[in-house]
Amino acid sequence: DGGITQSPKYLFRKEGQNVTLSCEQNLNHDAMYWYRQDPGQGLRLIYYSQIVNDFQKGDIAEGYSVSREKKESFPLTVTSAQKNPTAFYLCASSTGKGQTDTQYFGPGTRLTVL
Amino acid sequence: GDSVTQMEGPVTLSEEAFLTINCTYTATGYPSLFWYVQYPGEGLQLLLKATKADDKGSNKGFEATYRKETTSFHLEKGSVQVSDSAVYFCALMDSSYKLIFGSGTRLLVRP
Repeated sequence: DGGITQSPKYLFRKEGQNVTLSCEQNLNHDAMYWYRQDPGQGLRLIYYSQIVNDFQKGDIAEGYSVSREKKESFPLTVTSAQKNPTAFYLCASSTGKGQTDTQYFGPGTRLTVL
Repeated sequence: GDSVTQMEGPVTLSEEAFLTINCTYTATGYPSLFWYVQYPGEGLQLLLKATKADDKGSNKGFEATYRKETTSFHLEKGSVQVSDSAVYFCALMDSSYKLIFGSGTRLLVRP
């Protein structure tokens, strides 16, 4: 089955700890994205990558870091510098080609800071 | 910058009622437009899309028409079911190929 997997589904973190969220896709997509969703709000872009070994900051990159060493994988690290990290995190991927491109989403990871 | 505005929810309907969720946008040029649906505790699923003016996207009984003159992309369904209860997001793709989302509209369908 082709798709996007995110793990873990639920993640608990103590204040001051870094945590890494996994995102893997087997759709052969070039572009991958990380979004944050807060209750009752839309999605906000954290980071995106249009090709391996390259990525750009989105609208709310402070306190987050990413890497893109493989086409299939785009892990997100939530660092201790992120002031309010409790949220639902969604990963997406797309072909990355042009205005008719469509992003497909994974099932999400819910991060709670204790 | 580009933006998307959706009607606030929740929208509460009885089964078999007609649904409209309003979406308007502000953008330079003619962006592609999308509707995504999110069921509780899940990620977003693409519901439909339209890539140019007057295009109609449709899927699972839902429809939306890209109206350039009114900068709108309203979502409609003729007869909703309890299983349609979810949060619906309108989005546009900006000139940098990034998605800009509305704040979402929660739909609750009662039996």
